[in-house]
Amino acid sequence: AQTVTQSQPEMSVQEAETVTLSCTYDTSESDYYLFWYKQPPSRQMILVIRQEAYKQQNATENRFSVNFQKAAKSFSLKISDSQLGDAAMYFCAYRSGDTLAGSYQLTFGKGTKLSVIP
Amino acid sequence: DSGVTQTPKHLITATGQRVTLRCSPRSGDLSVYWYQQSLDQGLQFLIQYYNGEERAKGNILERFSAQQFPDLHSELNLSSLELGDSALYFCASSVEVGEETQYFGPGTRLLVL
Repeated sequence: AQTVTQSQPEMSVQEAETVTLSCTYDTSESDYYLFWYKQPPSRQMILVIRQEAYKQQNATENRFSVNFQKAAKSFSLKISDSQLGDAAMYFCAYRSGDTLAGSYQLTFGKGTKLSVIP
Repeated sequence: DSGVTQTPKHLITATGQRVTLRCSPRSGDLSVYWYQQSLDQGLQFLIQYYNGEERAKGNILERFSAQQFPDLHSELNLSSLELGDSALYFCASSVEVGEETQYFGPGTRLLVL
């Protein structure tokens, strides 16, 4: 079974600075997808960014980018120019599934609580 | 707003009772997923439906069941409720069964007293 580990329960960053959240995963699959979801105090789960394992290029979405190291099974999220609205829980997720059966599920890490200091 | 709707937003009930949580996927999405978020277990996958058929099961208790109707909305039924079932229940949807990204609804917060 796949596992996802986020080793930083809490982190803080000064407004306008850069912060990196860590995520490692364990899998025997070669083709998969990885995601970062944000959960603000409203509890809504918001997709931040996704990465296809077969793509060597790291995904970017505006101020958010990832460092995907497939061999090391590492998938970190970098937030640049941090804003107060970035304060939230961030969850790393791995999509596993059976393509033939058409069954899929997300496995989540325990999350990292990010605080942004004005 | 993801386009996924869930009702009710909050639910308070007593142990032993039965509740039904409802989810409407994004327009055009055929696949629906249910997740449970609790303090001790974190976010856990419960079950997946695609176009009315069950496709995958996760850590779903036997007291819990789900279905997806012809109009593609889904319901999660929780019965013989226990205190430990108190959690935030999310529904997510995706376009096709192979679509990589799941879009989450706002969740239903269940409190069992």
